[in-house]
Amino acid sequence: NAGVMQNPRHLVRRRGQEARLRCSPMKGHSHVYWYRQLPEEGLKFMVYLQKENIIDESGMPKERFSAEFPKEGPSILRIQQVVRGDSAAYFCASSPPTSGGLYEQFFGPGTRLTVL
Amino acid sequence: AQSVTQLDSQVPVFEEAPVELRCNYSSSVSVYLFWYVQYPNQGLQLLLKYLSGSTLVKGINGFEAEFNKSQTSFHLRKPSVHISDTAEYFCAVREDTGRRALTFGSGTRLQVQP
Repeated sequence: NAGVMQNPRHLVRRRGQEARLRCSPMKGHSHVYWYRQLPEEGLKFMVYLQKENIIDESGMPKERFSAEFPKEGPSILRIQQVVRGDSAAYFCASSPPTSGGLYEQFFGPGTRLTVL
Repeated sequence: AQSVTQLDSQVPVFEEAPVELRCNYSSSVSVYLFWYVQYPNQGLQLLLKYLSGSTLVKGINGFEAEFNKSQTSFHLRKPSVHISDTAEYFCAVREDTGRRALTFGSGTRLQVQP
């Protein structure tokens, strides 16, 4: 059973460009979470999605950031007009629809975004 | 809102020595507690978790942690470390409210020396 897949693993963008990060959850998982890890810091929650629904976006910056998890295909985290402060590792996690209330999150390898 | 504090940013230790990585949290509600390990340029792997019941939790790779409610701590321990344990360790909490977001500490870098 393949784990959580993220691509690309490394992404370089110039200031003002758009960045698209993709996450394919584990098979059978319908819940996806995005976290951001700034250099020398822990992970910070951004958004939690189920298929076609955003459930909790309390950690998302108000501007330039958006996320989706369509009925078919991977979840996408989109950053418009990137700035140097967006340089970070972005991790996706997934969990199954029911797991006795635990909803354990399984993490992908991350996408490391560098903004020049 | 909950928060997680990992006071030690780096912990150097010699191979085969015991180690303890400290984690304290604050929350106004009950929480679930987790320890994750991150090897260089990789994602996070769950080491162990506390949900309820016995306060001593055993995880993978010989690690264990003890939940202390009165001290709001969840320290990670290993009686004898290996070079391969060199990694970043993150403590995380999740509120027992239905909200699923994990709150992470800033991490502790364990450096095992020969």
